[in-house]
Amino acid sequence: EPEVTQTPSHQVTQMGQEVILRCVPISNHLYFYWYRQILGQKVEFLVSFYNNEISEKSEIFDDQFSVERPDGSNFTLKIRSTKLEDSAMYFCASRVLQGYGYTFGSGTRLTVV
Amino acid sequence: DAKTTQPPSMDCAEGRAANLPCNHSTISGNEYVYWYRQIHSQGPQYIIHGLKNNETNEMASLIITEDRKSSTLILPHATLRDTAVYYCIAASANAGKSTFGDGTTLTVKP
Repeated sequence: EPEVTQTPSHQVTQMGQEVILRCVPISNHLYFYWYRQILGQKVEFLVSFYNNEISEKSEIFDDQFSVERPDGSNFTLKIRSTKLEDSAMYFCASRVLQGYGYTFGSGTRLTVV
Repeated sequence: DAKTTQPPSMDCAEGRAANLPCNHSTISGNEYVYWYRQIHSQGPQYIIHGLKNNETNEMASLIITEDRKSSTLILPHATLRDTAVYYCIAASANAGKSTFGDGTTLTVKP
């Protein structure tokens, strides 16, 4: 069964450093998403991406965050200057068309120290 | 997204059917009901979705009331591996996001 692949599975970074989280969505999917989950809290929407542009973003997704689909297969989330409160599981998701369910990746655990 | 209400926790005996309720009394006509589950800290897993008709797939059945104000996810023969947090989400097909609540923690017991 096709999977959404995320790398790395765990990343530790120092506060103020830039991180890039990588995702390979399912190949025929057209809609891409990033969600995050702080330990013990709800899964929160960050951003949706379609046709090479952001279609919706949450209040969490401020100027420190950016997304890119650089080569038609990868989908990345960049955090420019990490803060302690950015520590969370970050999940990439994709879906083939609107209305269908998401397929989520297994996540990247980001720890900011 | 319409607000959904789920019980915080439920238990089910292994091999029995697990019936997980969800209330979405303010759902609008173009909103689907989606169900996902999350096992420990893994990524949420899509289970099933529907608009107004009952739906069944290899994982579960979804029963939506005629007035669409509530639904029930049925796992016909629960196993220990079905222990997870189950999320019910009401969202329109063209919604750019899904809003996850607290879900129902289902514990399947031997």
